[in-house]
Amino acid sequence: EAEVAQSPRYKITEKSQAVAFWCDPISGHATLYWYRQILGQGPELLVQFQDESVVDDSQLPKDRFSAERLKGVDSTLKIQPAELGDSAMYLCASSEHRVGVEQYFGPGTRLTVT
Amino acid sequence: DAKTTQPTSMDCAEGRAANLPCNHSTISGNEYVYWYRQIHSQGPQYIIHGLKNNETNEMASLIITEDRKSSTLILPHATLRDTAVYYCIVRVRPSNDYKLSFGAGTTVTVRA
Repeated sequence: EAEVAQSPRYKITEKSQAVAFWCDPISGHATLYWYRQILGQGPELLVQFQDESVVDDSQLPKDRFSAERLKGVDSTLKIQPAELGDSAMYLCASSEHRVGVEQYFGPGTRLTVT
Repeated sequence: DAKTTQPTSMDCAEGRAANLPCNHSTISGNEYVYWYRQIHSQGPQYIIHGLKNNETNEMASLIITEDRKSSTLILPHATLRDTAVYYCIVRVRPSNDYKLSFGAGTTVTVRA
């Protein structure tokens, strides 16, 4: 069964450093989502792509976070500089249709900022 | 999207049915009920969704009350692998707002 791939699975970084996460969605899925999940809470959407275009980044802290999906396939989420409050699980999901709520999630990247 | 209310946690015995309630008293006529679950250290997993009729798939059954103000997710024969956080989400489908709005969910612990 096809899966969403993410790397790295775990990342420890120091405050003020730059960090990047990578996501490869299920082949053929046009829509890609990045969520952030703080411990004990449900995931919250950071950014959504339709192919290579951003369709919703209203919750993305744009002063330090950036996301791209240059060829409409895989995607990178970057944080620069990282802050202590960024410690969380970063989840990538993809769906086949733009209105599809059946989103398929990757295993996530656990970020710890020290 | 309508807000949902779920119990914080519940226990279930292995092999028994697990019944997970969800209240969504402000649900609109065009809003669906979706269930996802998240096993520890994994991403959320889609389980099932419905509008007003009861639904069943290989994972679970979804029972929606006639007034649609509440629903119950049923895991017919819970196993230890069903231990997870279960999220009940209400939203319009289709919608211009595609994000899933997760609450805190119900932490389900299946005990041997």
